[in-house]
Amino acid sequence: DAGITQSPRHKVTETGTPVTLRCHQTENHRYMYWYRQDPGHGLRLIHYSYGVKDTDKGEVSDGYSVSRSKTEDFLLTLESATSSQTSVYFCAIRPGLAGSYEQYFGPGTRLTVT
Amino acid sequence: GESVGLHLPTLSVQEGDNSIINCAYSNSASDYFIWYKQESGKGPQFIIDIRSNMDKRQGQRVTVLLNKTVKHLSLQIAATQPGDSAVYFCAENNNNQGGKLIFGQGTELSVKP
Repeated sequence: DAGITQSPRHKVTETGTPVTLRCHQTENHRYMYWYRQDPGHGLRLIHYSYGVKDTDKGEVSDGYSVSRSKTEDFLLTLESATSSQTSVYFCAIRPGLAGSYEQYFGPGTRLTVT
Repeated sequence: GESVGLHLPTLSVQEGDNSIINCAYSNSASDYFIWYKQESGKGPQFIIDIRSNMDKRQGQRVTVLLNKTVKHLSLQIAATQPGDSAVYFCAENNNNQGGKLIFGQGTELSVKP
């Protein structure tokens, strides 16, 4: 998985609790992304980062926040989890080579909110 | 939003045959396209990419064709093998914008031995 790990790989939590997912890369790439994947919606971008402490919103950012204090780590936080946030979450990294936008994905985290 | 089309389009092929997976993209200004393969329980895996100044690009056993006139992208897999069974996604990028990709819904390829 291109030097990307995600933790935890599986989590079950209750509605209203905070949850933090971690993405760790060993590639020293500048760009990192968080997606969620749901049936019928494909992969949708939640937030992304273009450098340490530089982040921006994606198309489905409501209810999520992110932080990137080190190049290698990109954290996704659900401040107060809801059942609609039950999903599979993928982190991706991008080398940022000129003219190329290929992203490499981690193994995913399956989150269930009960 | 509402979930529409929970069942992915499915393509079933015989082992050894060629497969063609199609994708219609949405934005005529998109200038970069990627195909990904996703096996069950795993993250998407990069297969091949193509820029809008090209019509065709070949990789190992795969070819991507781009028709900008009708905003259509296809992935051809030669001599399909059981290990090719997966969901295949196309994705597009519109002039960088932070390198964001817009993903299609995906097509499930099933290879019969």
